[in-house]
Amino acid sequence: DVKVTQSSRYLVKRTGEKVFLECVQDMDHENMFWYRQDPGLGLRLIYFSYDVKMKEKGDIPEGYSVSREKKERFSLILESASTNQTSMYLCASSMVDRGGEQYFGPGTRLTVT
Amino acid sequence: DAKTTQPTSMDCAEGRAANLPCNHSTISGNEYVYWYRQIHSQGPQYIIHGLKNNETNEMASLIITEDRKSSTLILPHATLRDTAVYYCIVRGYSGGYQKVTFGIGTKLQVIP
Repeated sequence: DVKVTQSSRYLVKRTGEKVFLECVQDMDHENMFWYRQDPGLGLRLIYFSYDVKMKEKGDIPEGYSVSREKKERFSLILESASTNQTSMYLCASSMVDRGGEQYFGPGTRLTVT
Repeated sequence: DAKTTQPTSMDCAEGRAANLPCNHSTISGNEYVYWYRQIHSQGPQYIIHGLKNNETNEMASLIITEDRKSSTLILPHATLRDTAVYYCIVRGYSGGYQKVTFGIGTKLQVIP
């Protein structure tokens, strides 16, 4: 079974803090994704990566950056957290040629106060 | 990616088959139908996908009409753990911009 793990299920941070969200997958998938999910807005893509050190902006990259130094790990960084970044953050991975078949982690519910 | 239409909510008795419909009348020839579900407070879970033939795996069956304009996800013996929001997605199989776009989905409530 594909397993995608995220470093925290719940996280509370203060405005202005630098926040790191970690994601690890164990199936040697080339593609990795970061989404955020908000009520009424559905799932929105923040960044994705198709290889180590490669990244592409998604629909809402502002205020975020990412890092992929190893194939299995994809990190999302909030440089200076703001209250409008309070959300559920979801990491996913897929094989390079099966982009529609994505495997998601359990999510991190981030609250910025 | 083609647009999909699903009912907002459905109920199903425990132990009975749950049939979740999806309309995708603008689907193009190379687009696949994917189904995901999301149990409350968890990440989405991939269920199944298909192009034009019916598909079955350990979780569900997918029936696609001959004209490919609609499909039905079947959970053969629904349990309380199947209560979730089910998303039907139509998109290309592999390359290009590889995000998945979830609509509103169908909230399935399995009733004891």
